[in-house]
Amino acid sequence: DIVMTQSPDTLSVSPGERATLSCTASQSVRSNLAWYQQKPGQAPRLLMFGASTRATGVPARFSGSGSGTQFTLTISSLQSEDFALYFCQQYNNWPTFGQGTKVEIK
Amino acid sequence: QVQLQETGPGLVKPSETLSLTCAVSGGSIASYSWSWIRQPPGKGLEWIGNIYHSGTRYYNASLESRVTISLDTSKNQFTLNLTSVTAADTAKYYCATLTYEYGSKWFDPWGQGTLVTVSS
Repeated sequence: DIVMTQSPDTLSVSPGERATLSCTASQSVRSNLAWYQQKPGQAPRLLMFGASTRATGVPARFSGSGSGTQFTLTISSLQSEDFALYFCQQYNNWPTFGQGTKVEIK
Repeated sequence: QVQLQETGPGLVKPSETLSLTCAVSGGSIASYSWSWIRQPPGKGLEWIGNIYHSGTRYYNASLESRVTISLDTSKNQFTLNLTSVTAADTAKYYCATLTYEYGSKWFDPWGQGTLVTVSS
């Protein structure tokens, strides 16, 4: 299995600040990487696919980058609705997910 | 926009079979591919398996001996059966649409999820 490791586990950020989340794959997944946002009691919501393509309706303050084994999700200016749990997911042969990064209010 | 809704029993006894249904609206089940994913309380996400519109199925190797995913085109829904359940199968179960383009695959949209507890 390809193991996806996210860092940090928790990120404390003030509203309006920039947040940078990392996701590392145990072997190359090329650009086969998606990001999801999950709020308490809700299903995950797709943010990004192909490592850097925003899903429909996702604000431009979200951006994704990386390929191979190192990936980053950046939220340029955190809004109140962005405080949530974020997962990365690879799909080389079969999908695996990172353990998640919780973005909390500082 | 496709919408999905999971239904099934919230409580299953150990050693019995967990059966869930995902009802699809806003699109034909024959036109897309589908997945089941689960999330144990307080833990991360685990892929269970896919069924493609062709009927081809792929399962997580760790669950393969106990899992069956099926399509019911007459009802526009798909189902998950997981046999011989234990407490380790307690989780929120999500159905999702599997999308693949440009050599990449992802899940969108997801159902709201249904919590299944395995307990006597």
